[in-house]
Amino acid sequence: EDKVVQSPLSLVVHEGDTVTLNCSYEVTNFRSLLWYKQEKKAPTFLFMLTSSGIEKKSGRLSSILDKKELFSILNITATQTGDSAVYLCAVVKDAGGTSYGKLTFGQGTILTVHP
Amino acid sequence: KAGVTQTPRYLIKTRGQQVTLSCSPISGHRSVSWYQQTPGQGLQFLFEYFSETQRNKGNFPGRFSGRQFSNSRSEMNVSTLELGDSALYLCACAGQGLLETQYFGPGTRLLVL
Repeated sequence: EDKVVQSPLSLVVHEGDTVTLNCSYEVTNFRSLLWYKQEKKAPTFLFMLTSSGIEKKSGRLSSILDKKELFSILNITATQTGDSAVYLCAVVKDAGGTSYGKLTFGQGTILTVHP
Repeated sequence: KAGVTQTPRYLIKTRGQQVTLSCSPISGHRSVSWYQQTPGQGLQFLFEYFSETQRNKGNFPGRFSGRQFSNSRSEMNVSTLELGDSALYLCACAGQGLLETQYFGPGTRLLVL
């Protein structure tokens, strides 16, 4: 059975701290790994990772994938209160053809950033 | 461009009833996926439709079904509602490429009494 496990499940930090969120997976026919940020609404897309060892960056956020060890990390530097959210990791299975594929989500990491 | 829209946004039903939720994807996006989100189980994949055909399916009972129309709009139906079906139902759409980003709608919050 496909499995995506995130850790830690929750994290409380102060503004300015750096955090690292982890996502490990066991999925057959891996296509890509996605990171989402969810506040009190629908998830918003952060990164898509398909190749090992290539870091994706967007401002203070960065992410990297290790396809050999089957995990990904999401780093947030100089955290701000606006970073408080649930961070979701999802793995996309290759379903063949042009369809998007089947996503398996982790439980999410609840990040709370205090001023 | 307009985002993903879902209707209705909130719904209250009683056990045994059925419900139909609607999702209109971003123009040009032909892949529509549906998810159920609950505090206990998190986000779980229901099914994906592409070009009016169900392409992928999650592990949900047959009471959960869906369809997609030629304009890519999709509906999800849940029959014989149970208390445990109370959840946020999200749809997400993607373009045609295999590495397209998936965009989520605001969701329909269903409460079953």
